[in-house]
Amino acid sequence: DAKTTQPTSMDCAEGRAANLPCNHSTISGNEYVYWYRQIHSQGPQYIIHGLKNNETNEMASLIITEDRKSSTLILPHATLRDTAVYYCISGTGANSKLTFGKGITLSVRP
Amino acid sequence: DGGITQSPKYLFRKEGQNVTLSCEQNLNHDAMYWYRQDPGQGLRLIYYSQIVNDFQKGDIAEGYSVSREKKESFPLTVTSAQKNPTAFYLCASSMGRAAIYEQYFGPGTRLTVT
Repeated sequence: DAKTTQPTSMDCAEGRAANLPCNHSTISGNEYVYWYRQIHSQGPQYIIHGLKNNETNEMASLIITEDRKSSTLILPHATLRDTAVYYCISGTGANSKLTFGKGITLSVRP
Repeated sequence: DGGITQSPKYLFRKEGQNVTLSCEQNLNHDAMYWYRQDPGQGLRLIYYSQIVNDFQKGDIAEGYSVSREKKESFPLTVTSAQKNPTAFYLCASSMGRAAIYEQYFGPGTRLTVT
């Protein structure tokens, strides 16, 4: 599975869009990009995933660059409850394995 | 409500004792997973099971054992051979074998061994 790199932390103002970047420069053609988040002391929560096309659901949007070497998770209107660690993961799905790195800590300020 | 339950939420044991962590799901998912999380770190995969009566080692299986006798249950035993067992343990499940299916996580068990 390709390695992903994320900044350690970022913050944004409540009500504004939060754009969380992720680099996956070694991603292969059959590897998906997944985003999960973990609120303090809870289990991670799935947010979204994609392969090539941009994706949107009720939680967020995922923008994948054309060369697939990077992606951005967008929370359109961040709230204080979005403060969490966000994990960007890439994987093929082989053996159901996903590798979670340290993620990026998003702090939403009032 | 469908979901994954882990019990207990907090667990304390003396060094040298084996301890079993419970994980149950009523989502009818085929695959189940155990992860370990240390403070400030990401999740590391201990064991996973894609089908009943079958399981595979993850990245840090040493000192742990699992069983998958029922689709709904995937208990994890932390044995005395695990050198640093104190950690936050998370169980997850997914619909199918491929990782294109999102994983649903339980609330976790925080194990402290002294």
